[in-house]
Amino acid sequence: GESVGLHLPTLSVQEGDNSIINCAYSNSASDYFIWYKQESGKGPQFIIDIRSNMDKRQGQRVTVLLNKTVKHLSLQIAATQPGDSAVYFCAENNAGGTSYGKLTFGQGTILTVHP
Amino acid sequence: NAGVMQNPRHLVRRRGQEARLRCSPMKGHSHVYWYRQLPEEGLKFMVYLQKENIIDESGMPKERFSAEFPKEGPSILRIQQVVRGDSAAYFCASSAGQGRIQETQYFGPGTRLLVL
Repeated sequence: GESVGLHLPTLSVQEGDNSIINCAYSNSASDYFIWYKQESGKGPQFIIDIRSNMDKRQGQRVTVLLNKTVKHLSLQIAATQPGDSAVYFCAENNAGGTSYGKLTFGQGTILTVHP
Repeated sequence: NAGVMQNPRHLVRRRGQEARLRCSPMKGHSHVYWYRQLPEEGLKFMVYLQKENIIDESGMPKERFSAEFPKEGPSILRIQQVVRGDSAAYFCASSAGQGRIQETQYFGPGTRLLVL
């Protein structure tokens, strides 16, 4: 069945370090991937997305890498700040399927940034 | 420029009562999605609606749950005869509905439902 999962459930880093959060997906038909950040008591906040015709996309302090060969997705956060502490979810979408509005989420990685 | 709005933010119900969760999409958005999140888990898709139409309800339980997005007013997720297992955070998201398939979904703050 389809699934999106994360290798590391928790990640602790020092302020100023770079963070890398990983995600594996099993549906080879997935063609759209999104990273969300969720702070305690809040809804998921869009960070960055990438389509399957790309292998890298950069935003402000964040980079998403997509490796379709091994079905792996990663989020890199540069110069991590305490405000980056949150749960990070990857999500995938299969536009070619009948459920093109449906996002499938992974379980999440807890990122803790120590000052 | 208000984002997705949900109310109430917290809802307490006793077993057997009804729960109504409301979602107002971002201004200009015509597509709405509902997701459920259990503690320590990711979000699970429930239903995808456009104005007056249910596009995909593959994630909705077969009984007691229903959703609507009328021509006027917010989208409503309705849970009848709630049970303790319905306790969760329910999130609504919206997208522009400009005809592109892969649209960014923007989430509201959620409604935390507690069933006693």
